Amino acid sequence: QVQLQQSGPGLVKPSETLSLTCTVSGGSMNHYFWTWVRQPPGKGLECLGNILYSGATNYNPSLESRVTISVDTSKKQFSLNLKSVSPADTAVYYCARGNGWHDYWGQGTLVTVSS
Amino acid sequence: EIVLTQSPGTLSLSPGERATLSCRASQRISGNSLAWYQQKPGQAPRLLIYDASTRATGIPDRFSGSGSGTDFTLTISRLEPEDFAVYHCQRYGTSVPTFGQGTKVEIK
Repeated sequence: QVQLQQSGPGLVKPSETLSLTCTVSGGSMNHYFWTWVRQPPGKGLECLGNILYSGATNYNPSLESRVTISVDTSKKQFSLNLKSVSPADTAVYYCARGNGWHDYWGQGTLVTVSS
Repeated sequence: EIVLTQSPGTLSLSPGERATLSCRASQRISGNSLAWYQQKPGQAPRLLIYDASTRATGIPDRFSGSGSGTDFTLTISRLEPEDFAVYHCQRYGTSVPTFGQGTKVEIK
């Protein structure tokens, strides 16, 4: 059974960089895209971007200037960096498998942007 | 960019009733590349349906998806207590998928 375990801080200061990591277990990273999705409190889901196991990336155009997604298949991890955050970036952040439908999800990390 | 509009925003029903949720796209979605998710408070979304009508592994057959082009529907034939949740539709097949705003199914 594939499992995704998220790690990273729950509090980030304005103008700093939000960094989260997702560790994959129970299956291979090969041949899949891996995605980051976020959900502001009380709102809908937004895909931030995704990365193929080989390293090719796609980013949401509205966030492209601030988002970087990377992968380390040797550690079975992929990571999200979102720079220059503001309170508007406060959300639950999820990692997930796939760039079409997402069949496996991480547990979610509430990241609050506040000084 | 294709925008997904879900309706209604909230659906108030009783256990045992039929739920019909709509997801309308601003442009035609090719290849029926549409998925539905269920999300309960404090939990990650759970994949229910992909390719508009294919149930994901382990999903009960009371959940069904239909539609094509710009109009898609998720039907829950008889609501069970555990089905009261928020449902999201998602369009994929492009580099970055997009979601609708969600429909909440609440107990009447």
